[in-house]
Amino acid sequence: DAGVIQSPRHEVTEMGQEVTLRCKPISGHNSLFWYRQTMMRGLELLIYFNNNVPIDDSGMPEDRFSAKMPNASFSTLKIQPSEPRDSAVYFCASRTSGWVYNEQFFGPGTRLTVL
Amino acid sequence: GENVEQHPSTLSVQEGDSAVIKCTYSDSASNYFPWYKQELGKGPQLIIDIRSNVGEKKDQRIAVTLNKTAKHFSLHITEAQPEDSAVYFCAVLYGQNFVFGPGTRLSVLP
Repeated sequence: DAGVIQSPRHEVTEMGQEVTLRCKPISGHNSLFWYRQTMMRGLELLIYFNNNVPIDDSGMPEDRFSAKMPNASFSTLKIQPSEPRDSAVYFCASRTSGWVYNEQFFGPGTRLTVL
Repeated sequence: GENVEQHPSTLSVQEGDSAVIKCTYSDSASNYFPWYKQELGKGPQLIIDIRSNVGEKKDQRIAVTLNKTAKHFSLHITEAQPEDSAVYFCAVLYGQNFVFGPGTRLSVLP
């Protein structure tokens, strides 16, 4: 298995632009998580899906952020409009659901820089 | 909510020595404590975990100990190797999700 796939790996954009990050979870995993990692705040959970349904989005910082999971093999995290403080590494992770102790597998991340 | 602290933030050891990283948590109901290793340019990877029904777990050169009464758990790396150099995160299962510690950057000097 190729593991969790994220694209792009690096994104540089200007303030005010729309940014879309993409994730393909491991086949057969039906829980998907979006995290943000910064030096100041560490690794934070933004939102997670179970069977394509958003379960908890309390970590989404504000309305500029939105996430979708149209099917079991694809999810997007969109920021519109982007701001310099959104600069961070965004990770997607997936696991099989049904048992909360199942291992989460992280993707390689997308490094976002907003100028 | 759950609050997870991790110390030290940076740690340098000589090759062959031991390294210990400690985490404390606030919610006494938490019962699952994984450790993740993050290498440069990669996502975190689970290296060992412990559940609250045991006090210690070992896997070759790494071990984790848990003190539920004091609400802290520690990662122990013995005979450290240069390939152990990375950032290590502790995590605590809180509800359905993890709360992560701020990380420890470990450098193993040859």
